[in-house]
Amino acid sequence: DAKTTQPNSMESNEEEPVHLPCNHSTISGTDYIHWYRQLPSQGPEYVIHGLTSNVNNRMASLAIAEDRKSSTLILHRATLRDAAVYYCILRDRYTGNQFYFGTGTSLTVIP
Amino acid sequence: NAGVTQTPKFRILKIGQSMTLQCTQDMNHNYMYWYRQDPGMGLKLIYYSVGAGITDKGEVPNGYNVSRSTTEDFPLRLELAAPSQTSVYFCASSYGDSKGAYTEAFFGQGTRLTVV
Repeated sequence: DAKTTQPNSMESNEEEPVHLPCNHSTISGTDYIHWYRQLPSQGPEYVIHGLTSNVNNRMASLAIAEDRKSSTLILHRATLRDAAVYYCILRDRYTGNQFYFGTGTSLTVIP
Repeated sequence: NAGVTQTPKFRILKIGQSMTLQCTQDMNHNYMYWYRQDPGMGLKLIYYSVGAGITDKGEVPNGYNVSRSTTEDFPLRLELAAPSQTSVYFCASSYGDSKGAYTEAFFGQGTRLTVV
């Protein structure tokens, strides 16, 4: 299974944008890039996903490199509620019946 | 609007005891998953199911068993509890089809299990 690499931790000031990077150099053509986050003491929740083009939703934006070997999750204005562990996951389009979490990036938001 | 429901929320087991962690989803999802999360670590896939009657092993299946007799339920069985199984267990579900369309995964709130 294709793996992802993320920094262990990042900090951001409240109200400022946050760019969370993910490297996935062995990504295949049928892998979707998914982001989930896990708030303290909760189960993970879906944030966003994409294949080739940049994606936006109400929670975040996903910027995907042209060669798809890396991506960046963008939180436009970090709030205290965004403090969580963010996981970048590759999920095959046709065999995505199993997907694997790495260690993720722990985001600290500073008031 | 229940989503994925796990019971119990907390449990303490003695070494060698057995128990079943329950998971139910009301979204008619065909895929269901069990993960465990040790302190400070990411989630590890234990077992998954692509539909009723079909289950398969994930990364860390040893010491666990599953069954999927209905679309809604996916119980996880621990037969001989060991301290190494102390963890938080998460159940999840999603929908997927053979054409490559699937929804995001929805997770339960977790079961915190301690084996002493």
